[in-house]
Amino acid sequence: EAEVAQSPRYKITEKSQAVAFWCDPISGHATLYWYRQILGQGPELLVQFQDESVVDDSQLPKDRFSAERLKGVDSTLKIQPAELGDSAMYLCASSLAGLAVRELFFGEGSRLTVL
Amino acid sequence: AQKVTQAQTEISVVEKEDVTLDCVYETRDTTYYLFWYKQPPSGELVFLIRRNSFDEQNEISGRYSWNFQKSTSSFNFTITASQVVDSAVYFCALEVYNQGGKLIFGQGTELSVKP
Repeated sequence: EAEVAQSPRYKITEKSQAVAFWCDPISGHATLYWYRQILGQGPELLVQFQDESVVDDSQLPKDRFSAERLKGVDSTLKIQPAELGDSAMYLCASSLAGLAVRELFFGEGSRLTVL
Repeated sequence: AQKVTQAQTEISVVEKEDVTLDCVYETRDTTYYLFWYKQPPSGELVFLIRRNSFDEQNEISGRYSWNFQKSTSSFNFTITASQVVDSAVYFCALEVYNQGGKLIFGQGTELSVKP
């Protein structure tokens, strides 16, 4: 069964360091999402791509976070510099384009701990 | 503004008990979709159900059932004869039509089913 792949599964870093997460969506899924889930809370959308274009990054802290999907396939989410409050699970999801309501398929997430 | 509230933070039951997880949502839009996701300890979000705002019929799938009531803005989830494997965090989510997959999640309810 096709899956959304994410790496690394776990990352521990020190404050002010750079960190990057990678996501490979299900083949053929044009829409890709990055969600952040703080412990004890529900996921919150950070950025949404349609192919290689950003369609929603209103909740992305752009002073330190960046996201790209250069060829419209896999995607990287970067944090530079990391802060203590960035400790969270970063979930990637993908869906087929062209539907008004889409079923999202989530990866297992990348858990970040900032010390 | 859209909002989803799951007032129950944690629920603990003994195997074979029935359990209901509550979800209350807020939106001014007339066309919207409601979801339930399951998040096991491994971290990925597993899709359980999607309902649109025009279909208030209750749905049953095996031991799972969902009760959608627009009059009270609620979309509750019942597990009948719970099993240990049902232990997970359950999230209710809302999507407004044509917002391209942007889900508004509740804070989640952690269900613990003890043998």
